Amino acid sequence: DADVTQTPRNRITKTGKRIMLECSQTKGHDRMYWYRQDPGLGLRLIYYSFDVKDINKGEISDGYSVSRQAQAKFSLSLESAIPNQTALYFCATALSGDTGELFFGEGSRLTVL
Amino acid sequence: AQSVTQLDSHVSVSEGTPVLLRCNYSSSYSPSLFWYVQHPNKGLQLLLKYTSAATLVKGINGFEAEFKKSETSFHLTKPSAHMSDAAEYFCVVSSYNTNAGKSTFGDGTTLTVKP
Repeated sequence: DADVTQTPRNRITKTGKRIMLECSQTKGHDRMYWYRQDPGLGLRLIYYSFDVKDINKGEISDGYSVSRQAQAKFSLSLESAIPNQTALYFCATALSGDTGELFFGEGSRLTVL
Repeated sequence: AQSVTQLDSHVSVSEGTPVLLRCNYSSSYSPSLFWYVQHPNKGLQLLLKYTSAATLVKGINGFEAEFKKSETSFHLTKPSAHMSDAAEYFCVVSSYNTNAGKSTFGDGTTLTVKP
């Protein structure tokens, strides 16, 4: 089983719908991140969390919210999806005191029609 | 503040020839630097990392990178390309050793390997 698991892997939805992307990890890491990938733009940070009680906005948090339900679970929500949120979303984890290496899930491809 | 620039959005090489993917960075701190690879429809995998130890870093699959502070560069090289190296590559700078704890990604370089 993968150490960082994202669900769903693919989702097609309509404008205005609420969407939740879920991430769970078995690595025991305290830090979790949500990134968005668009062609030619690399990965951009949406939100990050250093522990269950810590949530921080990244560079492109508008239109998104997150919940850290447990150390191992970090969910990303789109309250009212819009077409320009069509992208590939990655969850990543890291360990405090380590080198900064990120461990990624396989990605969740979201299409908003 | 930190940033990273991958100087080539696309690189095309022939199988068996050297690979050079260029990356420049800026950081207000002593940076950690990483190269990740992404194969089609896959997540990102770590190729190698620099964390203030040896400046020449060896990674998986024959890749290596050299940290040059004076040039603020961290270029990725491989002596001989293989077809399986075709992928997208990301250079990343991290302020992990600060309270910011964030990573900044380059825009990526797509490597094409021709037979």
